[in-house]
Amino acid sequence: EDKVVQSPLSLVVHEGDTVTLNCSYEVTNFRSLLWYKQEKKAPTFLFMLTSSGIEKKSGRLSSILDKKELFSILNITATQTGDSAVYLCAVEKGGSEKLVFGKGTKLTVNP
Amino acid sequence: NAGVTQTPKFQVLKTGQSMTLQCAQDMNHNSMYWYRQDPGMGLRLIYYSASEGTTDKGEVPNGYNVSRLNKREFSLRLESAAPSQTSVYFCASRRGLAGGFQYNEQFFGPGTRLTVL
Repeated sequence: EDKVVQSPLSLVVHEGDTVTLNCSYEVTNFRSLLWYKQEKKAPTFLFMLTSSGIEKKSGRLSSILDKKELFSILNITATQTGDSAVYLCAVEKGGSEKLVFGKGTKLTVNP
Repeated sequence: NAGVTQTPKFQVLKTGQSMTLQCAQDMNHNSMYWYRQDPGMGLRLIYYSASEGTTDKGEVPNGYNVSRLNKREFSLRLESAAPSQTSVYFCASRRGLAGGFQYNEQFFGPGTRLTVL
């Protein structure tokens, strides 16, 4: 059975801290891994990763994929209160239109 | 572009009532999806449509039906609502493999909060 596991499930940090969110997966015929941010409404797309070792960056957020060890990390540096959200990881299988989502990591950034 | 739109935003039903959730996208996407989100459960796929005229079951299809009315619209119907269907429902779309696009993300609508009493 396909599985996407995110850890930790929740995390509380102070503004300025750096955080690392984890996503491990077991799916047959992996195609891509996606990260989304959800703030009390619809998830919004952050990154899509298809190749190992290539870091994707957007401002203070970055992500990398390890296809050998079957995991990805999402890093957020110098966190701000606006980073408070649920971060969702999803994996797409080759030849399929479906995504398999993890349960998410709830990040709370306190001032 | 409005992106993905959903109606209604909120709905309260009594057990046994029926209703249809509407979803439309104006991005000319081929694939459309219905998810439900429950606390601590992430997003679970109910049904999806890879292209106009096709629909397939996802992870939790029981109690639901879907219709891909045309390329733009994908509706979700609850024939006889149950309290276990209390959830937030998200519609999503993406260009999809049918359009020849190998890597493409999903875009989500704002969600419908459904309560079944």
